[in-house]
Amino acid sequence: AQSVTQPDIHITVSEGASLELRCNYSYGATPYLFWYVQSPGQGLQLLLKYFSGDTLVQGIKGFEAEFKRSQSSFNLRKPSVHWSDAAEYFCAVGALDTGRRALTFGSGTRLQVQP
Amino acid sequence: DAGVIQSPRHEVTEMGQEVTLRCKPISGHDYLFWYRQTMMRGLELLIYFNNNVPIDDSGMPEDRFSAKMPNASFSTLKIQPSEPRDSAVYFCASSQRQGGEETQYFGPGTRLLVL
Repeated sequence: AQSVTQPDIHITVSEGASLELRCNYSYGATPYLFWYVQSPGQGLQLLLKYFSGDTLVQGIKGFEAEFKRSQSSFNLRKPSVHWSDAAEYFCAVGALDTGRRALTFGSGTRLQVQP
Repeated sequence: DAGVIQSPRHEVTEMGQEVTLRCKPISGHDYLFWYRQTMMRGLELLIYFNNNVPIDDSGMPEDRFSAKMPNASFSTLKIQPSEPRDSAVYFCASSQRQGGEETQYFGPGTRLLVL
């Protein structure tokens, strides 16, 4: 069974500082990986996704993530955080090849941005 | 594109009452998913459909929950009778496989409170 671990429940950074949110997955085959963001009271918005190819993927709002197969990781980064980035971030893994299309989500990381 | 549409956005009901949540997927998408988000269990799959046919309902908690997809543009999730422990945010998502990639897009969610 696939699983996703987001080790950091809560992170606080200063506005303008860099950000890295960690995500580790467990899956036997090639995973498809996603980062979603959820603002308070809102739905899930797709930030970026990895299916194949270049292991460094660019997303919306200046975010990027790097797939590292050897470390089973897909960490999310942003060079300079804005106050509007305060939200909860979810890493998810999918697996089209198993026929089970549902995403498995991590428990989320809540980001707080200090002025 | 209007995105995934869910209604109602908020629902407050009393224990024992029937609750019906509605979802309109993105036009052309052939997969539809229902997820539930709670503080204790995070985001978890309840059921998903392919071409209006239920494929995996292993996440449906118990017989009180039922889901239907009568056509490609509409799905319902029904809880009867509702219980306080059903209080959660229910998300609908849809997807379409294109060129080896498949991304789930989420609706805004229905926030359900059962008193």
